[in-house]
Amino acid sequence: DVKVTQSSRYLVKRTGEKVFLECVQDMDHENMFWYRQDPGLGLRLIYFSYDVKMKEKGDIPEGYSVSREKKERFSLILESASTNQTSMYLCASRGSYEQYFGPGTRLTVT
Amino acid sequence: AQKVTQAQTEISVVEKEDVTLDCVYETRDTTYYLFWYKQPPSGELVFLIRRNSFDEQNEISGRYSWNFQKSTSSFNFTITASQVVDSAVYFCALIGAGNNRKLIWGLGTSLAVNP
Repeated sequence: DVKVTQSSRYLVKRTGEKVFLECVQDMDHENMFWYRQDPGLGLRLIYFSYDVKMKEKGDIPEGYSVSREKKERFSLILESASTNQTSMYLCASRGSYEQYFGPGTRLTVT
Repeated sequence: AQKVTQAQTEISVVEKEDVTLDCVYETRDTTYYLFWYKQPPSGELVFLIRRNSFDEQNEISGRYSWNFQKSTSSFNFTITASQVVDSAVYFCALIGAGNNRKLIWGLGTSLAVNP
C-alpha cells in the first residue's frame, strides 16, 4: 500500500510566521503535489514536483514556495503566513496516473 | 481546455437507497484517464477507480459501479444499497495524455446517507 504522511493534522500559526508543511511518501514516486482545499472551490494545485529539485507552479502558487531535496519528501513553505492561507492542505504522490493522498493538514492562521 | 463538471453539489438519501453521482468531462485529448475519489469526514482523499479512454466497459466493485460513456462524455458512479459509511464527498477527475502531470478536478458531490 502507498503511504503518504504529512507532518501535522492540525496547525495554528500567527500572521507573518514562516510555516513548513512536510510530506513524505514511501513508494519511490517521482511526482508529488501540494493542493489546498477550500469550501466551494474544490482542490486547487499549488505546486508540483516531477523529480528531485524540480518543481513547477500550479494554479495558485502566490505566497508559497516548495522544496524537494530528496525523492521521498516534498515540503510546502509559507514564507509569511496570512489569514487568507487558512485552509486544508493536501499532499499527494503519483503512481501510474492516479494520485495518492496524505491525511491533510488543517492550517489556521490567526 | 479540459474540464470536469459535477452538477450535483449535495445529495441526501436514506440508507439502502441506490444513488448515482454524475460526472461530465471535456477534453480534446484522445487518450485520457478518469478517476473517482472519496473524501470521508476524516479528510483523507481515497482513490477509488481509474478508467482509460479506450476502455468503456462498466466496472463493478461490490456495491460500487461505474458507467463510462464516451458518447456523452460521462463517467457516472452508482452506489447500490447505500450505507451510512458511504457519507462523504466524492470527486471526479481527469488527466489527459497531452498534459499528463496535472489532474483536472470536479468540485465534488457531498453525499449524505441517513439512517
